[in-house]
Amino acid sequence: DIQLTQSPSSLSASVGDRVTITCQASHDIANYLNWYQQKPGKAPNLLIYDASNLQTGVPSRFSGSGSGTDFTFTINSLQPEDFATYFCQQYDNLPLSFGGGTKVEIK
Amino acid sequence: EVQLVESGGALVQPGRSLRLSCTTSGFSFGNCALSWVRQAPGKGLEWVGFIRSKPYGGTTEYAASVKGRFTISRDASKSIAYLQMNSLHTEDTAVYFCTSYTGNYYTPTVFHYWGQGTLVTVSS
Repeated sequence: DIQLTQSPSSLSASVGDRVTITCQASHDIANYLNWYQQKPGKAPNLLIYDASNLQTGVPSRFSGSGSGTDFTFTINSLQPEDFATYFCQQYDNLPLSFGGGTKVEIK
Repeated sequence: EVQLVESGGALVQPGRSLRLSCTTSGFSFGNCALSWVRQAPGKGLEWVGFIRSKPYGGTTEYAASVKGRFTISRDASKSIAYLQMNSLHTEDTAVYFCTSYTGNYYTPTVFHYWGQGTLVTVSS
């Protein structure tokens, strides 16, 4: 099974900050990685697919990069509506799996 | 507009069974794969299983933690997917989300659309 390790597990940031989250896979997964945002009490929402492709309708301040085992998710100029938990997810192999999540809180 | 609406969540005793439904609309039901993803209270996301689209035979795959206990099925005439959960354990307590994949790969690669989730509590 492929394990995804996200870091940090939580962070505090201010509006306008640049935020970076990493996701490390236990095996090479090429670019088979997605990123989701989840707000409290809501379902996750797809932001980035195939490691670096922005889902339609998602603001361009969100971006993703990486391949192999190391991936990065970035929010440029954090907005108030971006305070949420972010998850990475791999589809290289079954079982499909998620990272543990990164909670982005207001400083 | 794509919609997925889960229902059937309840408080159930350990060892009992429960069936969840995912009622869908707004897309070609037969051509999408449907997955179930769960989230225990205050925890992360866990993939439970999926059923492939009709062109791929509607075959199923499951996480090891539920294999042999949970079964996913689909009713094309009603555009509904089901999650039959047997021999429930306390650790199955979670919000269960139904998600859809509308791509063309044999195995879903991404969870495009999500329902709002339904809470299953397993407790005596």
